[in-house]
Amino acid sequence: EAEVAQSPRYKITEKSQAVAFWCDPISGHATLYWYRQILGQGPELLVQFQDESVVDDSQLPKDRFSAERLKGVDSTLKIQPAELGDSAMYLCASSVKQGAAEAFFGQGTRLTVV
Amino acid sequence: AQSVAQPEDQVNVAEGNPLTVKCTYSVSGNPYLFWYVQYPNRGLQFLLKYITGDNLVKGSYGFEAEFNKSQTSFHLKKPSALVSDSALYFCAVRDTRNFNKFYFGSGTKLNVKP
Repeated sequence: EAEVAQSPRYKITEKSQAVAFWCDPISGHATLYWYRQILGQGPELLVQFQDESVVDDSQLPKDRFSAERLKGVDSTLKIQPAELGDSAMYLCASSVKQGAAEAFFGQGTRLTVV
Repeated sequence: AQSVAQPEDQVNVAEGNPLTVKCTYSVSGNPYLFWYVQYPNRGLQFLLKYITGDNLVKGSYGFEAEFNKSQTSFHLKKPSALVSDSALYFCAVRDTRNFNKFYFGSGTKLNVKP
């Protein structure tokens, strides 16, 4: 069964350092999402791609976060510099473009900033 | 704005008893509604979805959900709970007018006791 791959699974970093997360969506899925999930809360959208284009990054803290999906396949989310409040689970998901389709999630990257 | 609400932070049920996890939605067009389950330190797993048609939809692991347009609800149900159903459950709605964004509820922790 096809899966969304994310790495690393866990990351501990010191504040003010840079950190990056990688996601490989299910093959053929044009839409890719990065979500942030704070413990005990629901996922919140950070950025959404349609192929290689960003279609929504309104909730992305652009002073420190960046995301790219250069060839419209895999994607990288970067934080620089990391802050204590960035500690959370970062989830990548993908879906086909059609509106009724569900999103498939990766296992997530648990980030701890110390 | 599109949104879903999960009014219960936690639901407790005895094994073998029926369970219900509540969700209400607010959308401007036709709702595409989803339920996901999340186990500790894992990504979200898709359970079921409502697009159109029969108001009772069946999904994975014996779960089902009932769409009620007049009450704008999409409650998750299972006739007989298992201890292994204990997890975090998220309701979501897809906004097909706005780049196919997903909006998630805050989650409901289901505790099934032996």
